[in-house]
Amino acid sequence: QVQLVQSGAEVKKPGASVKVSCKASGYTFTGYYMHWVRQAPGQGLEWMGWINPNSGGTNYAQKFQGWVTMTRDTSISTAYMELSRLRSDDTAVYYCARTNLPVGTGTTGWFDPWGQGTLVTVSS
Amino acid sequence: QSVLTQPPSVSGAPGQRVTISCTGSSSNIGAGYDVHWYQQLPGTAPKLLIYGNSNRPSGVPDRFSGSKSGTSASLAITGLQAEDEADYYCQSYDSSLSARFGGGTKLTVL
Repeated sequence: QVQLVQSGAEVKKPGASVKVSCKASGYTFTGYYMHWVRQAPGQGLEWMGWINPNSGGTNYAQKFQGWVTMTRDTSISTAYMELSRLRSDDTAVYYCARTNLPVGTGTTGWFDPWGQGTLVTVSS
Repeated sequence: QSVLTQPPSVSGAPGQRVTISCTGSSSNIGAGYDVHWYQQLPGTAPKLLIYGNSNRPSGVPDRFSGSKSGTSASLAITGLQAEDEADYYCQSYDSSLSARFGGGTKLTVL
């Protein structure tokens, strides 16, 4: 079955960077866009952007431009999200989520499945 | 402040029917983008509940239904059960093709 497994929890100091991984299985990794969504404690869902695992092309939410980098390693079917210059309000659970739309058919699909989430805590 | 507006909370007794609204604008839902709904049980990742405005993935009970009209959408849950207690989020896109989520609605089963 289609599954996304993310890396473990991280604790970082303000100003540092964090890189979260998302390993895909059960489908052709390069065939579907991968999105990243975060959720601060007790808050709602916030979309960060997507990566086209086939081309490596990205589309970041305006808020995160210049601050987030999404990459992938097709040899191990893994997507990465790196956030730099961390602040305390970046403390959140970060999710990867696959869209239903095959690459090249559009970028406005729904998200299914989701990874289990990675808690990133930013604290001095 | 979310682009898509949901009520912060709704509640209902077991067996009752509740609805959750998702109000957008001509830049997102009203522009023709589909609305999708997710259920998030405490401490877990969101799970797709309704896609394409009104379609249920396999395994989702038919107690859950969705609709869309104009710049709004709604999720209805009939025959409310204790296990339905969760947070619910609507999701769509805007004209910049950025995904947008509603602020989330906490459903309490009384």
